[in-house]
Amino acid sequence: AQSVTQLGSHVSVSEGALVLLRCNYSSSVPPYLFWYVQYPNQGLQLLLKYTTGATLVKGINGFEAEFKKSETSFHLTKPSAHMSDAAEYFCAVTHTGGFKTIFGAGTRLFVKA
Amino acid sequence: KAGVTQTPRYLIKTRGQQVTLSCSPISGHRSVSWYQQTPGQGLQFLFEYFSETQRNKGNFPGRFSGRQFSNSRSEMNVSTLELGDSALYLCASSLGLPLNTEAFFGQGTRLTVV
Repeated sequence: AQSVTQLGSHVSVSEGALVLLRCNYSSSVPPYLFWYVQYPNQGLQLLLKYTTGATLVKGINGFEAEFKKSETSFHLTKPSAHMSDAAEYFCAVTHTGGFKTIFGAGTRLFVKA
Repeated sequence: KAGVTQTPRYLIKTRGQQVTLSCSPISGHRSVSWYQQTPGQGLQFLFEYFSETQRNKGNFPGRFSGRQFSNSRSEMNVSTLELGDSALYLCASSLGLPLNTEAFFGQGTRLTVV
């Protein structure tokens, strides 16, 4: 069965510091992996996705993530945090057999001035 | 291109009542998924429809049901509402195939059960 684990329900960084949000997944078949961001009172917006090919994926707003099959991880990073990055971030996994996308519990990112 | 539209945005219902939520997907999208979002549980998958057929469902009681129409619009219904059903209900649309296509989310319907 698929599952997604996001380590840390809350992460706080200073403006300009590195952002690292962790995501580990379990899947019996090669997964499709996604990161979404949710701003208050909004739906979710896709940041980036991994399907096949290059394991380092670049997304919007300067975010990127690396698929590491051996570690079953898909951590999200951004070199320099901006105040506007404060939001909730969700890691998600889809695989071919289930016709559904499973989301992690989410990580709320706080950015301090 | 219009986004995913969910109506209504806010709803207050009494325990025991039933409620119907609506989702209009992006034009050309054939898949609609529904999620329940609560602070403690994150996003929980309810069901997914593709071309009027339910392809998968989550672990929710039978009080939660859905359907999809020929124009891809979808509705979900919750009967005999309980206090624990209070949540943000999100709808997501996608092409449906291939499965690696991204989902586009609506702003959600916030349901409060009193």
